[in-house]
Parts: sequence; C-alpha cells; structure tokens
Amino acid sequence: DADVTQTPRNRITKTGKRIMLECSQTKGHDRMYWYRQDPGLGLQLIYYSFDVKDINKGEISDGYSVSRQAQAKFSLSLESAIPNQTALYFCATSSGSGTGELFFGEGSRLTVL
Amino acid sequence: AQSVTQLGSHVSVSEGALVLLRCNYSSSVPPYLFWYVQYPNQGLQLLLKYTSAATLVKGINGFEAEFKKSETSFHLTKPSAHMSDAAEYFCAVSGGTSYGKLTFGQGTILTVHP
Repeated sequence: DADVTQTPRNRITKTGKRIMLECSQTKGHDRMYWYRQDPGLGLQLIYYSFDVKDINKGEISDGYSVSRQAQAKFSLSLESAIPNQTALYFCATSSGSGTGELFFGEGSRLTVL
Repeated sequence: AQSVTQLGSHVSVSEGALVLLRCNYSSSVPPYLFWYVQYPNQGLQLLLKYTSAATLVKGINGFEAEFKKSETSFHLTKPSAHMSDAAEYFCAVSGGTSYGKLTFGQGTILTVHP
C-alpha cells in the first residue's frame, strides 16, 4: 500500500460544483502539503500544514480551502470549481526534520468542464 | 524568496548518451536542493538531494548532481541514458524561512531514443 494515498485519482466535474480531494498518509509525518501541477509550470504550493492546528496559504491559495482532520489526513476543497482549476493535484508529506524532503502521493487529476 | 530555473523544457538524447539536465537556483540562504523524477501517471520520486555535505551527490538509477555555489547551479547528469530514464525531471530548492516548503522548477521532459 502507498504511504501517501490520494482519492479520487481522477475526477471530472462541472463549473460551479464543490469538489473535495482527500489525502491520507501512513508515514507518521506532521507536515502535509497540497501542490498543483500544470504543464510547463512545475508544481505550485496551494496550502501547507505543519501540524493539526497549523494551516498556511501557499503561492496560489485563491479558490481553494483545506482541512486538517487529523495528523494523517489533509483535504483540499474547491468551493466552486472553475475550468482553470483543471490540473493534476499532489499531496505530499515531510517529517519536519532533516532536509525537508517531500514524499508524494500519486496525484489526483481534476477536470472542470 | 527562492526560485529555480530549469534550462530546457525538453531534452532528447540517444540511448547510451550522456544525460545533462540543467538547474539554476536563487536563494538568500544556504539552500537544500533536490531532483525529483516523475514517470507517467505517477507521483514524484526523489532522485537525490544536496544537504550542504559533499558537493557531488549521487542518487538512484545512476544519476548524480554537483552543487556549484559560484554558479548557483545544481545540474543533473547520468553518463549513459537508458530507455527507462524517459520521464519528467524537477529541480527544487528550500531553506531558511522557506524550510520545509519546496519551490520547484518548471520541469524538463527527457526523451530517450533507441
């Protein structure tokens, strides 16, 4: 089983719909992240959380919200999806010690029509 | 603020040829530097990392990278490309107030021809 699990892996939705992407991890890490990947732009940080009571905005948080339900769970929501939020979304974790290396899930591909 | 620039969005090599993927960074503090690889329909996997120890870093699958502070570079190399190396490669930086938040380059797609 994967250490960082994202659901759903693929989702097609319509403009204006509310969407939630979920992430769970078994690595025991305190820190969790949501990144967005667009072709030619690399990965951009949406939100990050260094512990259950800590939530921080990243570079591109507008239009997104997050919830850290437990150490192991971090969800990303699009309250009212729009087509330019079509992208590949990655959840990642890190231990908070050492070099800050990230461990990634396999991604959630979201298409907004 | 930190930033990463990967020179070349696409690189094409023949099987057995040298692989060179370029990465330049900007950081106001001593950085941690990373190379990740993404195979189709998969997440990102760490290839190697620089953590202020040895400047020449060896990673998985025969890849290595050299940290050059004077050139603010962290280029990724592999002496002999394999077909299985075809993937997208990302350089990333963190450090200082950005510790724990990686800033990624735009990615380089490596194609390997037989």
